[in-house]
Amino acid sequence: DGGITQSPKYLFRKEGQNVTLSCEQNLNHDAMYWYRQDPGQGLRLIYYSQIVNDFQKGDIAEGYSVSREKKESFPLTVTSAQKNPTAFYLCASAPRGRGYEQYFGPGTRLTVT
Amino acid sequence: KQEVTQIPAALSVPEGENLVLNCSFTDSAIYNLQWFRQDPGKGLTSLLLIQSSQREQTSGRLNASLDKSSGRSTLYIAASQPGDSATYLCAVLRSGNTGKLIFGQGTTLQVKP
Repeated sequence: DGGITQSPKYLFRKEGQNVTLSCEQNLNHDAMYWYRQDPGQGLRLIYYSQIVNDFQKGDIAEGYSVSREKKESFPLTVTSAQKNPTAFYLCASAPRGRGYEQYFGPGTRLTVT
Repeated sequence: KQEVTQIPAALSVPEGENLVLNCSFTDSAIYNLQWFRQDPGKGLTSLLLIQSSQREQTSGRLNASLDKSSGRSTLYIAASQPGDSATYLCAVLRSGNTGKLIFGQGTTLQVKP
């Protein structure tokens, strides 16, 4: 089956710890994205990558880092510098040349206490 | 700065009704507009994508229209069913950009049997 996988589904961490969220796609899409969703605020873009070994900051990149070493993978690290890390994190991918229609993974709910 | 608004925030209708969900955006310079569905605690499912040169797209009981000049899009759902209950999000892709979707906050639809 083709699709986007995110793991784990739920993640719990103590304040001050870094945590890495996984995102893998087998759709052969060039572009990949990370969004954060908070109640009442909709989705906001954290980072995006249009090609391997290249990525750009989105609207709320502070306290996050990413890498894009493989086309299929775009992991997101939530660092201890992120002030409000508890949220629902969504990964997406899109092909070039088809209007950049984005396809989303199932999400990871991160809780930091 | 592009802003996307969806009104109403919530809608409750009896089964079988035809209904319209609204999306407005402040900057008409968009590359495309995408409608998504989100079930509670899940990722987003792409419903329809309208390119900036198109006026509407149809998929089954769904029809989405786009009027760039007025900064509006509507999602029409025919013969609503309880299974249509979900949050519906619209998002615009900025022109000249290759992936930065701007999301509205969504309309939560409840279809009562």
